[in-house]
Amino acid sequence: AQSVTQLDSQVPVFEEAPVELRCNYSSSVSVYLFWYVQYPNQGLQLLLKYLSGSTLVKGINGFEAEFNKSQTSFHLRKPSVHISDTAEYFCAVMDSSYKLIFGSGTRLLVRP
Amino acid sequence: DVKVTQSSRYLVKRTGEKVFLECVQDMDHENMFWYRQDPGLGLRLIYFSYDVKMKEKGDIPEGYSVSREKKERFSLILESASTNQTSMYLCASIPTAGSSNEKLFFGSGTQLSVL
Repeated sequence: AQSVTQLDSQVPVFEEAPVELRCNYSSSVSVYLFWYVQYPNQGLQLLLKYLSGSTLVKGINGFEAEFNKSQTSFHLRKPSVHISDTAEYFCAVMDSSYKLIFGSGTRLLVRP
Repeated sequence: DVKVTQSSRYLVKRTGEKVFLECVQDMDHENMFWYRQDPGLGLRLIYFSYDVKMKEKGDIPEGYSVSREKKERFSLILESASTNQTSMYLCASIPTAGSSNEKLFFGSGTQLSVL
């Protein structure tokens, strides 16, 4: 069975600093990988997704993620964060049955 | 635009009541999902359905059942609501094939409080 681990429940960072949100997954089959963002009091939005091909995936709002098969990781990065990036970020994995499993989320707190 | 509609935004029920949460999608998607979202636990999959009358248990099906009599509608049923089922419930759908088949479309959620 697949699972997703987001080790950091909260990541505080200063504005304009770089950030990395970690995600590891376990699955015995090929998977699709996703990052979703949830701003306060809003629904989930897709940030980016990895289906196949290039392991570096670029998403909206300047975020990118790198798929590392050997380490079963899909970490999310942004070189310079803004106050408006304060939100909860969810990593997710989908297998061929379209079952989508989410991690427990990482709350990114950007301080001025 | 794809629309996934959940019938209630807020719901308050009493312990022991039978609760129905309805979800309707208008894009002919084959796959539909029910999640619950709790602080610190993320979204946990309760049940999903890949076709009419077909259902699969997710990670936390205990205390829940589902119904998919028509392709566009996926209902979540709490047979006897308990206080630990107080949560935000999210419905989602995705097609099996097509250019957007890897994108999950979410409803706006139902905040259920069981007293």
